[in-house]
Amino acid sequence: DAGVIQSPRHEVTEMGQEVTLRCKPISGHDYLFWYRQTMMRGLELLIYFNNNVPIDDSGMPEDRFSAKMPNASFSTLKIQPSEPRDSAVYFCASSTWENSYEQYFGPGTRLTVT
Amino acid sequence: QKEVEQNSGPLSVPEGAIASLNCTYSDRGSQSFFWYRQYSGKSPELIMFIYSNGDKEDGRFTAQLNKASQYVSLLIRDSQPSDSATYLCAARLSGSARQLTFGSGTQLTVLP
Repeated sequence: DAGVIQSPRHEVTEMGQEVTLRCKPISGHDYLFWYRQTMMRGLELLIYFNNNVPIDDSGMPEDRFSAKMPNASFSTLKIQPSEPRDSAVYFCASSTWENSYEQYFGPGTRLTVT
Repeated sequence: QKEVEQNSGPLSVPEGAIASLNCTYSDRGSQSFFWYRQYSGKSPELIMFIYSNGDKEDGRFTAQLNKASQYVSLLIRDSQPSDSATYLCAARLSGSARQLTFGSGTQLTVLP
């Protein structure tokens, strides 16, 4: 298994631009989590899905952030418009229902907004 | 007060020593606790989980949970330079279905 796949690995964009981050979870996993990691705030859960349905989006910082999961093998996290304070590493993780605590993380997308 | 707190370190230990990493949590109803390891520039990976009071051992790693005192610890015996990483403590807080709340992590360096 290839593990959780994220793209792009690095993204540099200017303030005000739209950014789309992509994630492919491990096949057969029921849960998908989006996290953001910064030095100041650590690893924060933004939103998670179960069977493609958003369950808890209380961690999404504001309306500029949106996430979708159109099918079991693909999810996106979109930021529009982007701001410099959105600069962070964004991780996607997936897990099974039986072992939801064992979350497998993707390699992350390092986002820099200038 | 943060829900899951860790000493940010850095913590340095000589090779072969025991490294002790600590974590406290504020939600007394929390039931499950996890230790993730994150190498620099990499993603977190689960190394231990513990649900019950007491110790849980897995190779060189021992997780300890004391619910009365609301702390969790991770002991690494015979520390190796390859153990140098940031260790994240996470908890499933009461009322949380599947999500984890992470501490800020403790950076460990094992000196050869």
